Amino acid sequence: EDKVVQSPLSLVVHEGDTVTLNCSYEVTNFRSLLWYKQEKKAPTFLFMLTSSGIEKKSGRLSSILDKKELFSILNITATQTGDSAVYLCAVINFGNEKLTFGTGTRLTIIP
Amino acid sequence: DAGVIQSPRHEVTEMGQEVTLRCKPISGHNSLFWYRQTMMRGLELLIYFNNNVPIDDSGMPEDRFSAKMPNASFSTLKIQPSEPRDSAVYFCASTTGARETQYFGPGTRLLVL
Repeated sequence: EDKVVQSPLSLVVHEGDTVTLNCSYEVTNFRSLLWYKQEKKAPTFLFMLTSSGIEKKSGRLSSILDKKELFSILNITATQTGDSAVYLCAVINFGNEKLTFGTGTRLTIIP
Repeated sequence: DAGVIQSPRHEVTEMGQEVTLRCKPISGHNSLFWYRQTMMRGLELLIYFNNNVPIDDSGMPEDRFSAKMPNASFSTLKIQPSEPRDSAVYFCASTTGARETQYFGPGTRLLVL
């Protein structure tokens, strides 16, 4: 059974700090790893990673995948209160087309 | 485009009652997914459809849960009879082609008393 583990479960930091969120996975026939941001409602897509070592970047957010060690990190620099959310990691494999989600990291940014 | 539409947004019901959740996917999307989210288990895939056909329902918890997609623009998830442990947020998502780019609806928050 595919498995995704995120850490930490919860993180509280001050505005301006840099945070690193972790995601490790066990999946057969790995295809992609995805990061989502969930505020009060539905998850919104952030990044899709398929190859090791290639950093994806969007503004203050960046993410990288290590397919050898089976993990990914999501970095947020110069955090703002609007970054407060639950960040979800998910994997998808070839064959069954399902997204398997981790339980998420709840990030709280204190002004 | 209005995005994925779900109704109702909130539902409170009593144990034993039938609950029907509705989803309208984004027009042109040919895959539809139903998820359940709880604090304990996170986001779990319940079932997904491709071209209106159920492909994988292995995530459906038990026979009390059923899902249908009678046409490309509408799907229902039904719980009968409902139980307190069914309380969760139920999301519907749709995509076309790449499974990675799923667009989520706003969710239905269900509380079974």
